[in-house]
Order: sequence, then C-alpha cells, then structure tokens
Amino acid sequence: KAGVTQTPRYLIKTRGQQVTLSCSPISGHRSVSWYQQTPGQGLQFLFEYFSETQRNKGNFPGRFSGRQFSNSRSEMNVSTLELGDSALYLCASRGDRGNTDTQYFGPGTRLTVL
Amino acid sequence: AQSVTQLDSQVPVFEEAPVELRCNYSSSVSVYLFWYVQYPNQGLQLLLKYLSGSTLVKGINGFEAEFNKSQTSFHLRKPSVHISDTAEYFCAVSGSTGRRALTFGSGTRLQVQP
Repeated sequence: KAGVTQTPRYLIKTRGQQVTLSCSPISGHRSVSWYQQTPGQGLQFLFEYFSETQRNKGNFPGRFSGRQFSNSRSEMNVSTLELGDSALYLCASRGDRGNTDTQYFGPGTRLTVL
Repeated sequence: AQSVTQLDSQVPVFEEAPVELRCNYSSSVSVYLFWYVQYPNQGLQLLLKYLSGSTLVKGINGFEAEFNKSQTSFHLRKPSVHISDTAEYFCAVSGSTGRRALTFGSGTRLQVQP
C-alpha cells in the first residue's frame, strides 16, 4: 500500500500571499488530519476531515482552512501569509476505527514565508 | 484537555548503551498513548502505542514503553541503541473517546554517539 503523499514538498511564498497544500491519504482511509510543526510551538493540530466533513478543529485563525474531496484527498489553504506561518505542515490519515487506529503521517510540506 | 510533557529536550548516549526517554501526560479522560519518531526531513513514524491491556508495550526497532497510570507516565526505553536511532522522538496522547486529535509533547532529540 502506498503511504500518505503530500505535495509540494517545499514551497516559498511571500507575506500576504496565499498557499494551498495537498494530501493524498492511504487508500481506504477516510480520515485526514493536518498538523503544523514549528521549532517554537512544536506539533499542533489544525483540523481533521472525515468523509468530506470537518469533524475537529484546532486553535488556529480563520486564515487556515481545509477541505476534503470525495476521493478522500485533502487540501489546506492558508491565506494572507505571515512570517510565523513558516513551518512543516504534516498530513496524517487514519482508518475508520476511531482513536484506536494509527495515524500515518506523510513527509510534510515545508513552507517558507519571506 | 490533555497535555504531554517530555522532560528532556536532548539525550546524548553512547552506542550500545541503554536509553530511556521520559514522557508524562495530563488528562481528565481515559487516553491512548503513542510514541513517534521523526528522522531529518521526514514525517512521523509510529514506534508503538498503548490502547489498553498490558502496560508494557513493545514496538518497532527494539523499543518498548511502559504505561504507568498512577504516575501518568509513558516512558520509552531501548536496551541498546544504534547510531541509526539518532532522531527526534515525540510522545503523544489522544482521548479514548470524543476528540480524536493527537496532542504532542515538545520532543526529545536522541543523539547516539559512537
């Protein structure tokens, strides 16, 4: 089985721009979660999607949004980029057995905001 | 709400020596516990998880962890480390019901020296 894939792997943007990151989960997984990893704040949960519906959300401003498509692929969007948005964005997918299921992480997208 | 404390930000150890990475958690509900490893420029890989049952959990690459409910700890151990174990290790917790996001500790950098 192919793992979680994320595209692009690296991105450089400037302040004020917007960016869209993509995540393809493991085949058969309907849950996709997004996390932000920074040296200062560590790993923080952004949101989770399941069957095209957001079912959980972390404590991030509205500039961070996401969606999930019928094939379970997910995108996250960050508008009006700030320097502090520079981070590694990790996507994770999980099966349908809820919290007992392992979250499998992709390699991440490294976003640099200049 | 849950929180995770990893008491050591860095742990230097010589090759073939034993190691223990400490993790304490706080939660008002029953939890599931996880240890993930992150190699440079990669995503997170699950080492092991505790859901229920035996408090001693064995994982991949010779790692094991012991769940101690009274001390709210989930320390990771390996009897003999290798150079290839050099990486960042994250302890994480999720509620056993309801909120499904992982709450991560700040990470411990394991540096194995020859």
